[in-house]
Amino acid sequence: AIRMTQSPSSLSASTGDRVTITCRASQGISSYLAWYQQKPGKAPKLLIYAASTLQSGVPSRFSGSGSGTDFTLTISCLQSEDFATYYCQQYYSYSWTFGQGTKVEIK
Amino acid sequence: EVQLVESGGGLVQPGGSLRLSCAASGFTVSSNYMSWVRQAPGKGLEWVSVIYSGGSTYYADSVKGRFTISRDNSKNTLYLQMNSLRAEDTAVYYCASPKRFGESPFDYWGQGTLVTVSS
Repeated sequence: AIRMTQSPSSLSASTGDRVTITCRASQGISSYLAWYQQKPGKAPKLLIYAASTLQSGVPSRFSGSGSGTDFTLTISCLQSEDFATYYCQQYYSYSWTFGQGTKVEIK
Repeated sequence: EVQLVESGGGLVQPGGSLRLSCAASGFTVSSNYMSWVRQAPGKGLEWVSVIYSGGSTYYADSVKGRFTISRDNSKNTLYLQMNSLRAEDTAVYYCASPKRFGESPFDYWGQGTLVTVSS
């Protein structure tokens, strides 16, 4: 199975900060990469798919980039509602795999 | 509006069985692939199983031979039959489905149902 490695596992940031989360695949996955946001007690919410395409309704402060094995999620100006855990996911092969998650906490 | 509603979770003893259901509305469960994804308490997301529109099914190695995914088109419902349950199967189980056809991530998620395996 393709292994997805996210970094960092957690980070502390302030409202207004620029935040970057990285995700590395153990083998090339082209652009079959999605990012999700999850808040406590809630289901994950799709933010970005195809590595860089913003899901409808998601604020433009979220952006994604990368292809092959290295990917990035950037939040350009962190808002209070963005404090959550973020997961990357590869859907290149049916044995979908997720990164271990990055928890974004308030500094 | 698309909605997925899971049910069937609960407390079960090790070695026991449970069947989860995911009732869909706003789309047809047989029109695209549908999956189960689980999340152990305080842990990350783990894909469990998928059923494609043509009926092909696949499983994570951790559940292969113990879990069976199926659907009832007449009820527009997805199922997960879980047998020989272990403590490590304790998790919130989500059903999930993509909006687009082809290789796509999960746009739609249910609210989740908690399965606890304990004596």
